[in-house]
Amino acid sequence: NIVMTQSPKSMSISVGDRVTMNCKASQNVYNNIAWYQQKPGKSPKLLIYYASNRYTGVPDRFTGSGSGTDFTLTINSVQAEDAAFYYCQRIYNSPFTFGSGTKLEIK
Amino acid sequence: QVQLKESGPGLVQPSQTLSLTCTVSGFSLTSNSVSWVRQPPGKGLEWMGAIWSGGSTDYNSALKSRLSISRDTSKSQVFLKMNSLQTEDTAIYFCTRLTTEGRGFAYWGQGTLVTVSS
Repeated sequence: NIVMTQSPKSMSISVGDRVTMNCKASQNVYNNIAWYQQKPGKSPKLLIYYASNRYTGVPDRFTGSGSGTDFTLTINSVQAEDAAFYYCQRIYNSPFTFGSGTKLEIK
Repeated sequence: QVQLKESGPGLVQPSQTLSLTCTVSGFSLTSNSVSWVRQPPGKGLEWMGAIWSGGSTDYNSALKSRLSISRDTSKSQVFLKMNSLQTEDTAIYFCTRLTTEGRGFAYWGQGTLVTVSS
């Protein structure tokens, strides 16, 4: 089974800063990656699909990149409302494995 | 619009079977798949399994021996049954749907908390 490894586990960033978080697949998943944002007590929200495509309504400060085994989610000019957990997920083929998540805190 | 809503018992005793229902609206189960995802308190997301538009199923290999997903298309309902529950199965259980083009899980229920305890 494919394992998705996210890093770092947590990060603390100031408003306006740029943040980058990583997702590594244990084998080639091509561009079949999605990124989600989850706030406490809420369901996950789809941000990025097929590695680099923003889902409907997602602000353009969220950018996804990568292919093969290494993927990155970048948030430019972080806002206070971006404080959340972020998860990557293999899509297109099951099992739809999630990464363990990155917690983003705003200073 | 697309909606999913989970329902079921909030408390299950150890070794018993969990039964959950996901009631959907705004789309047809014969044209879309539904997955179950769970999240233990304070932990990450785990994809459990899916039932596809044609009725076939896929399961997380770690849960396959205990898990069954089925549906009633006439009632727009998807069912999860998992047996031999243990305390580590305590979690919020979500049902979720892929976008039509399979771009990711864009539609989620609110989740239902299941506690395994005697």
